[in-house]
Amino acid sequence: QQQVKQSPQSLIVQKGGISIINCAYENTAFDYFPWYQQFPGKGPALLIAIRPDVSEKKEGRFTISFNKSAKQFSLHIMDSQPGDSATYFCAASMMIGAQKLVFGQGTRLTINP
Amino acid sequence: GAVVSQHPSWVICKSGTSVKIECRSLDFQATTMFWYRQFPKQSLMLMATSNEGSKATYEQGVEKDKFLINHASLTLSTLTVTSAHPEDSSFYICSARPRVGYEQYFGPGTRLTVT
Repeated sequence: QQQVKQSPQSLIVQKGGISIINCAYENTAFDYFPWYQQFPGKGPALLIAIRPDVSEKKEGRFTISFNKSAKQFSLHIMDSQPGDSATYFCAASMMIGAQKLVFGQGTRLTINP
Repeated sequence: GAVVSQHPSWVICKSGTSVKIECRSLDFQATTMFWYRQFPKQSLMLMATSNEGSKATYEQGVEKDKFLINHASLTLSTLTVTSAHPEDSSFYICSARPRVGYEQYFGPGTRLTVT
């Protein structure tokens, strides 16, 4: 019940296209859902995060869509650029207690020029 | 803002020796710090959670006598890998959570190679 399932495992998108990565969770106590971007040999960087009281959050070219009833959330990258090529991780946590993050398996995104 | 540093960025040590990795929050006070390890092409695996001034809480399956964690201040946590073996070779990453807010900010990671 602590798992976060992420798909696809890898994704190739043409420059200028929309990249979409999906995550699903089981634990309804989760109430904080961040996305992280990781380049090879580097630590993850926080991209954008959402709480379940909103269905969508947009920051620049990055948008999180959240479906509380389906227990799913997704990351959309608009106008994808070669510099967006990285591994993306979704995560979930509870905002009380230890606030440990449960990570998805990761998606390796490649943007072709 | 919200910068976390790690030192060293990479280290090579001989089997049986100990290695200390430092994690610092540079521009905020971190009530909680987390330590992860990551194998190539895999997700992050939480090892332990530490709060300033108290003992770390280890995840199931993580040997607390092997991976010693000290959260000495609100800006510094250290991970010591004791009696390192080749199977301890991995990418170790820390994260820090500020007093206010829910975000976790990650360090750049430390690549440990045990020969």
